Amino acid sequence: EVQLVESGGGLVQPGGSLQISCTASGFTFKESAMHWVRQAPGRGLEWLGRIRTRPNDYATTYAASVKGRFTFSRDDSKNTVYLQMNSLRIEDTAVYYCTRPGIGDLDDWGQGTLVTVSS
Amino acid sequence: QTVVTQEPSLTVSPGGTVTLTCASSAGAVTSGFSPNWFQQKPGQPPRPLIHSTTNKYSWTPARFSGSLLGGKAALTLSHVQPEDEAEYYCLLYHGGAQPWVFGGGTKLTVL
Repeated sequence: EVQLVESGGGLVQPGGSLQISCTASGFTFKESAMHWVRQAPGRGLEWLGRIRTRPNDYATTYAASVKGRFTFSRDDSKNTVYLQMNSLRIEDTAVYYCTRPGIGDLDDWGQGTLVTVSS
Repeated sequence: QTVVTQEPSLTVSPGGTVTLTCASSAGAVTSGFSPNWFQQKPGQPPRPLIHSTTNKYSWTPARFSGSLLGGKAALTLSHVQPEDEAEYYCLLYHGGAQPWVFGGGTKLTVL
């Protein structure tokens, strides 16, 4: 059974930084691209970006809203993908999901971790 | 920046049929946009229902179907059940600098 477990969310001040993690099991992690999606309270889903696999040079793609502030990385030895968030804004407050493709574009999802940006 | 548009809300009676649509500011939606549909209930992560325009997952109820309709992606629910009340999101692949874009979601009320 595929499992994705996000962790590391919490309260951070505007302008601050936070790193969240997503640990995977139940599939061959190193062979899977990983995506990040967020959902602000009471709002819709927003695709944030993707990190590809080693054969694809761990290439990353970011949504315009987070490009230059957010960074994806992964440690295939730990089956973990990371989202480093810098220069956080109040509007970055959201539940952050990691998700991965399967037969569809985004098949498996974690339960999400809440990041709150507030003073 | 590409915008994907869905009906903000729809209401359907139990046992009825309803069609949700998904349009792209980039132009008519084709199978190349690889439409995906997700169902989300409060407090839960999204659950995929349809991929590649028409394809269901093993857990997708038979009453859900995906299609292309008038230049848009469409999700049709037939014989709607009370448990179908949820938010539905489409996801389109556009390639380029921001490959994947979600629609704003449709809140489906079964009443």
